[in-house]
Amino acid sequence: DAGITQSPRHKVTETGTPVTLRCHQTENHRYMYWYRQDPGHGLRLIHYSYGVKDTDKGEVSDGYSVSRSKTEDFLLTLESATSSQTSVYFCAIKDSGRGDTQYFGPGTRLTVL
Amino acid sequence: TQLLEQSPQFLSIQEGENLTVYCNSSSVFSSLQWYRQEPGEGPVLLVTVVTGGEVKKLKRLTFQFGDARKDSSLHITAAQPGDTGLYLCAGENTGFQKLVFGTGTRLLVSP
Repeated sequence: DAGITQSPRHKVTETGTPVTLRCHQTENHRYMYWYRQDPGHGLRLIHYSYGVKDTDKGEVSDGYSVSRSKTEDFLLTLESATSSQTSVYFCAIKDSGRGDTQYFGPGTRLTVL
Repeated sequence: TQLLEQSPQFLSIQEGENLTVYCNSSSVFSSLQWYRQEPGEGPVLLVTVVTGGEVKKLKRLTFQFGDARKDSSLHITAAQPGDTGLYLCAGENTGFQKLVFGTGTRLLVSP
């Protein structure tokens, strides 16, 4: 258990509304990641962070923004949700003390109507 | 963009059968990881292979990294219902701090 929690675990929202997903870790890991998972695509990286206020884009970053004001929290924001952003979102941390292994949170299922 | 293609996408077998899942790319990776994911949960790391030609065994699971470090395979011997899940490969290149995930193989093992 890498002490990763995600909130909310489930959310239904309407097209055009802003949505923020939260990832919280308890072990002060430097690297944190946001992925989305869709059938047939595996996991695709949205954004990642390599420290407080240090973030970079992944392969599917359009329509998403992130913020990391504290080591333990990494927020993913959909400024104006669209139906194509219906997905399961996973947060992960990289544990440099255990061979750079990524550990994943339980996921957030987001439905945009 | 680096891509990892997995095959097959879906596999339904009976308990006791053997199976192999393939993970292929045109790109070279410095390491390759295999994850298993169960419904409603995040992926969990099974193994990391880092050397071309490397073979690792985890009980009934055998993982191999291709000599050219572009492909990998996962072989399960005498599959059990507890092996049911989504298997994902993921490649990483040194210094990039990011994983590229494969498309996934969904395995169903029936008693």
